[in-house]
Amino acid sequence: DGGITQSPKYLFRKEGQNVTLSCEQNLNHDAMYWYRQDPGQGLRLIYYSQIVNDFQKGDIAEGYSVSREKKESFPLTVTSAQKNPTAFYLCASSLDSLGTEAFFGQGTRLTVV
Amino acid sequence: QKEVEQNSGPLSVPEGAIASLNCTYSDRGSQSFFWYRQYSGKSPELIMFIYSNGDKEDGRFTAQLNKASQYVSLLIRDSQPSDSATYLCAVNSDNRDDKIIFGKGTRLHILP
Repeated sequence: DGGITQSPKYLFRKEGQNVTLSCEQNLNHDAMYWYRQDPGQGLRLIYYSQIVNDFQKGDIAEGYSVSREKKESFPLTVTSAQKNPTAFYLCASSLDSLGTEAFFGQGTRLTVV
Repeated sequence: QKEVEQNSGPLSVPEGAIASLNCTYSDRGSQSFFWYRQYSGKSPELIMFIYSNGDKEDGRFTAQLNKASQYVSLLIRDSQPSDSATYLCAVNSDNRDDKIIFGKGTRLHILP
């Protein structure tokens, strides 16, 4: 089955902890994206990567970090510097960044306790 | 700042009627246009894409694109309660340095 897999589906974090959200795709897509969605709000871009070993900040990168060591994987770390991390996190991928459509994983709901 | 604008709604439409969702975009270089449906608590799923001016039909869905006026719309015929969701418009250019940009979405409610 080809697709994008995010894990875990639900994640609880204590204040001051770093947590890492996993995103894996087997679609052979070059581009990958991380979005944050708050209740009743649209998607806000955190980071994106157009190719392996390269990534760029999106609109709300502060308090987050990523890596793209493999084409298939684009993990997102939510650091303790992110003051309000409770949100729904969505990973997406597209064949390339040249106008092709993006496909989403099922999302990770992160809650700070 | 490149923007994609949508009316947040909610848009209420009687079951069986046509639902019309609209989206405008600011970047004249935009080349690819997408509509995603997002049910509450779920991730967005792609339902339509359009690249050329005019209409594109797929089942009960029709996407309409007017590049001169910089708007794209989605028509849903014979609306069903299962169509109740948030619809996200997304736009991309063919510039490698650009990235896909999403609107905030329109909430659609189909009245039984």
